[in-house]
Amino acid sequence: DTGVSQDPRHKITKRGQNVTFRCDPISEHNRLYWYRQTLGQGPEFLTYFQNEAQLEKSRLLSDRFSAERPKGSFSTLEIQRTEQGDSAMYLCASSLDGGSYEQYFGPGTRLTVT
Amino acid sequence: KNQVEQSPQSLIILEGKNCTLQCNYTVSPFSNLRWYKQDTGRGPVSLTIMTFSENTKSNGRYTATLDADTKQSSLHITASQLSDSASYICVMRGAGSYQLTFGKGTKLSVIP
Repeated sequence: DTGVSQDPRHKITKRGQNVTFRCDPISEHNRLYWYRQTLGQGPEFLTYFQNEAQLEKSRLLSDRFSAERPKGSFSTLEIQRTEQGDSAMYLCASSLDGGSYEQYFGPGTRLTVT
Repeated sequence: KNQVEQSPQSLIILEGKNCTLQCNYTVSPFSNLRWYKQDTGRGPVSLTIMTFSENTKSNGRYTATLDADTKQSSLHITASQLSDSASYICVMRGAGSYQLTFGKGTKLSVIP
């Protein structure tokens, strides 16, 4: 399977704990995006990488959130001191360089904070 | 403020019937408009992508239209199948921007 993969698919954690998600993009894609989707809503942009550089962060990405893409390949999204409001689907997408190129989404990581 | 509004919120149709989903947007100028299909618990999958200069784009039983004057797009599904049950999301990319603006989606249920 050469699509975008995400791990884990589901994560249940207690409030206050830290969690980390991983995204492996399509190998030749140099752009990688993170989105958050809550129930009944469309995805909301969180952050974007071009190769290893994080070029933009949404205001939704509070200080508790950090994303990395150290070698320009896979990316991690960490949430520190999780809150119940962080419960959502976290989606990763990748694309070739250039805005007209399609973004291919992964299956998402469903986070539940209890 | 959500710049992409979709209607209806949800829709139930009988298998074999056609349906049309609507998208009104205020994103301007824009580079392209996309329709995605999202199955429950899965990531969105692209159906069509249209630039501002295109009026229609088809992908099998899915046909998207775009009217830049009225800032409306529609997605027409022909001869619906049970597997069409999903959320359909209208997505805009602003001109000169890499960011996508998503609508809330229309939840379609196709019943036998």
